[in-house]
Amino acid sequence: AQSVTQPDIHITVSEGASLELRCNYSYGATPYLFWYVQSPGQGLQLLLKYFSGDTLVQGIKGFEAEFKRSQSSFNLRKPSVHWSDAAEYFCAVGAARGGADGLTFGKGTHLIIQP
Amino acid sequence: GAVVSQHPSRVICKSGTSVKIECRSLDFQATTMFWYRQFPKQSLMLMATSNEGSKATYEQGVEKDKFLINHASLTLSTLTVTSAHPEDSSFYICSARAAPGSGGAYEQYFGPGTRLTVT
Repeated sequence: AQSVTQPDIHITVSEGASLELRCNYSYGATPYLFWYVQSPGQGLQLLLKYFSGDTLVQGIKGFEAEFKRSQSSFNLRKPSVHWSDAAEYFCAVGAARGGADGLTFGKGTHLIIQP
Repeated sequence: GAVVSQHPSRVICKSGTSVKIECRSLDFQATTMFWYRQFPKQSLMLMATSNEGSKATYEQGVEKDKFLINHASLTLSTLTVTSAHPEDSSFYICSARAAPGSGGAYEQYFGPGTRLTVT
């Protein structure tokens, strides 16, 4: 069975500082990896996804993530955070069959931005 | 594009009653829809997968007689919580996967969620 681990429950970053949110996955085949952001009262918004190809993936809002197969990781990064980035971030993995199955989510990382 | 709506956004019901939640894909056809449950400050847990015109597939531990799912059309899936109890109170989120060939077939589009409170 697939699983996702987000080791950091909370992360506090100063506005303008860089950010890295960690995600480790467990899956026996080629994973489909996603990062979503959830703001209060809003649905999940897809930041970026990795299916194949270039292991450095660019997403929306200035986010990027790097797939490292040897480390089973898919960490999310942003060079300079904005106060509006404060939200809950979820890493998720899907089956290699191409999205036919539901996603397995990590427990999420709550991002707090300090002024 | 790729908008998924849910109705209602919030619902309060009394213990023992049933409540229906709708999930609609507004601008695309969704052959597959997923229902997730999210407890406060926790992750989303997949409850079931529904394919248009067929019975839903439930995850282990999810009572299919309690959580009735109907996916009658390519744009609508419903989740009915039957004989609701306070422990069913949660945030229910649906997602829809576009039909193959429509672009973004590997991506799920999420609805805004429905907050259910059972008193």
